[in-house]
Amino acid sequence: GQQLNQSPQSMFIQEGEDVSMNCTSSSIFNTWLWYKQEPGEGPVLLIALYKAGELTSNGRLTAQFGITRKDSFLNISASIPSDVGIYFCAGQPYNNNDMRFGAGTRLTVKP
Amino acid sequence: KAGVTQTPRYLIKTRGQQVTLSCSPISGHRSVSWYQQTPGQGLQFLFEYFSETQRNKGNFPGRFSGRQFSNSRSEMNVSTLELGDSALYLCASSTGLAGAEQYFGPGTRLTVT
Repeated sequence: GQQLNQSPQSMFIQEGEDVSMNCTSSSIFNTWLWYKQEPGEGPVLLIALYKAGELTSNGRLTAQFGITRKDSFLNISASIPSDVGIYFCAGQPYNNNDMRFGAGTRLTVKP
Repeated sequence: KAGVTQTPRYLIKTRGQQVTLSCSPISGHRSVSWYQQTPGQGLQFLFEYFSETQRNKGNFPGRFSGRQFSNSRSEMNVSTLELGDSALYLCASSTGLAGAEQYFGPGTRLTVT
């Protein structure tokens, strides 16, 4: 279930701006995942992270697995209108098979 | 490789009825997890099936049940529907290994009237 703290809840930005969002947990995680969901569709996996300190890019998206293993960050550079959607973080605790989700960050990009 | 499929995509039911939703995972994946998504509660974990056995369960009443078949396809059943069961039901497929990524289907939008 939902046990991650994701912030911000929403962002309104101008096209071309960079975006940052993060997710924190009180416990250590083995895996961090970032998803994007558009209206009426299921979440789509953007980036998966498996090691503390890992930095992974997918086009204009970059995500990092925090050194403490209790947080993760997602950055979107040079945003475009099609970046609009809800971004979710998800993580799997090291001692549990459950996947935990953040509440999501709703991103609006103004042309 | 085909993605996760869910059927039906949309469903309208009345209170008291029951409903069965279906999910076909990515070929080779043995784990299927089910989630309920509502605007107010976000993604709530229902249960996970791995190799035909329920491996994890969230905090939902017994009206919510599921099963998995030998081909890894999974069904979720909700009995005695309530208005509050209206939601997007998502299934996610993975290999089932620790830390494996989950891939979501498009969801089934259930409306209870």
